[in-house]
Amino acid sequence: NFMLTQPHSVSESPGKTVTISCTRSSGSIASNYVQWYQQRPGSSPTTVIYEDNQRPSGVPDRFSGSIDSSSNSASLTISGLKTEDEADYYCQSYDSKSRVFGGGTKLTVL
Amino acid sequence: QVQLQESGPGLVKPSQTLSLTCTVSGGSISSGDYYWSWIRQPPGKGLEWIGYIYYSGSTYYNPSLKSRVTISVDTSKNQFSLKLSSVTAADTAVYYCAREGVYYDSSGYYYRYFDLWGRGTLVTVSS
Repeated sequence: NFMLTQPHSVSESPGKTVTISCTRSSGSIASNYVQWYQQRPGSSPTTVIYEDNQRPSGVPDRFSGSIDSSSNSASLTISGLKTEDEADYYCQSYDSKSRVFGGGTKLTVL
Repeated sequence: QVQLQESGPGLVKPSQTLSLTCTVSGGSISSGDYYWSWIRQPPGKGLEWIGYIYYSGSTYYNPSLKSRVTISVDTSKNQFSLKLSSVTAADTAVYYCAREGVYYDSSGYYYRYFDLWGRGTLVTVSS
């Protein structure tokens, strides 16, 4: 079994760029695709990135995903920050048949 | 447009069994392109995957909850259900049902992600 570790919180100003990391504790980050979900307060999660770096239709191209084997981590980058991006973000991957979520990162846009 | 709706008691006593149902509307639960999961979120905390069921009835559970979890499907009603036994206050959470789609990219590799979620239902464990 592995864990996905995310920073508890990040903050940045509108218009800037922020990156949220997701580090896999064991096994290769590249061995299973990573997804990212956005959860606004009081709402259900929605997908912003799937298959490491793909955006579902309707998600703006300000959102991008990547993986880095050297740090065994995935990253979600949001550019041109808007106040509406303020939310919790969760990474998710697979461990055999299990689905594993990161602990979540609270993004504050101030 | 496919929608998921959770239903069930909002209050369960300690040591009892939590039972929830997810109704799929606007689409068929029997489509082989999807897995159907339960995911929970304790107040103020992160997401925890509980387990999934395929329309055929095959299941897989989070190892940390496996001894207490049963997920079943009723294709005639287009529903799947969760039972969690011997609950404690630590099981207090918003419970979501979610659909996980299985897709294929241009290279023929498959990928999956939770592409549809219910609105969630809060279950409180308290006497």
